[in-house]
Amino acid sequence: NAGVTQTPKFQVLKTGQSMTLQCAQDMNHNSMYWYRQDPGMGLRLIYYSASEGTTDKGEVPNGYNVSRLNKREFSLRLESAAPSQTSVYFCASSDYREGTQYFGPGTRLLVL
Amino acid sequence: DQQVKQNSPSLSVQEGRISILNCDYTNSMFDYFLWYKKYPAEGPTFLISISSIKDKNEDGRFTVFLNKSAKHLSLHIVPSQPGDSAVYFCAPRSYNTDKLIFGTGTRLQVFP
Repeated sequence: NAGVTQTPKFQVLKTGQSMTLQCAQDMNHNSMYWYRQDPGMGLRLIYYSASEGTTDKGEVPNGYNVSRLNKREFSLRLESAAPSQTSVYFCASSDYREGTQYFGPGTRLLVL
Repeated sequence: DQQVKQNSPSLSVQEGRISILNCDYTNSMFDYFLWYKKYPAEGPTFLISISSIKDKNEDGRFTVFLNKSAKHLSLHIVPSQPGDSAVYFCAPRSYNTDKLIFGTGTRLQVFP
């Protein structure tokens, strides 16, 4: 099992460009999450999806959109990238009953 | 308003000694507490957890203590090893939700 996979690993964007971060899990988890990590800020929840077909905002949703394509895949889209979105993005998944979230390796995004 | 605080940004411990990482929280609805470990350029990995009905949980060299009245938990690592050098995040979860709230992390360095 690969667990949680994320693509790309690293991306450089210019201000105003758009891109989609991809995430997939093979653990048959219902819940999936997108976080961003900034220096000294810990991990902050951007969006999450409790099940296929549902999504909800987290702590810092502005400037992002998500799609829960199916049970396995949860994508994060930046429609018009801004330098403030320079960060490391992590995707995670969990089984609601178990509670533990499993994380992908992260996507490092630099917006110039 | 920070619900979860890890007041020590960094900690340096000699190999073989005890490492104690602390976490304070304000939300009395938290009922499940997780610790994650993160190496550079990798995603966080689950380390150990504790339910609010317990005050101690042990797993090998790692022990987590929970003091509900003080809204405080701590992670003890005994004996500390150089491979334990990483950032440690405290991440509680509220009752009836699968969302975690991450602290800002403590960087542990274990030196020979």
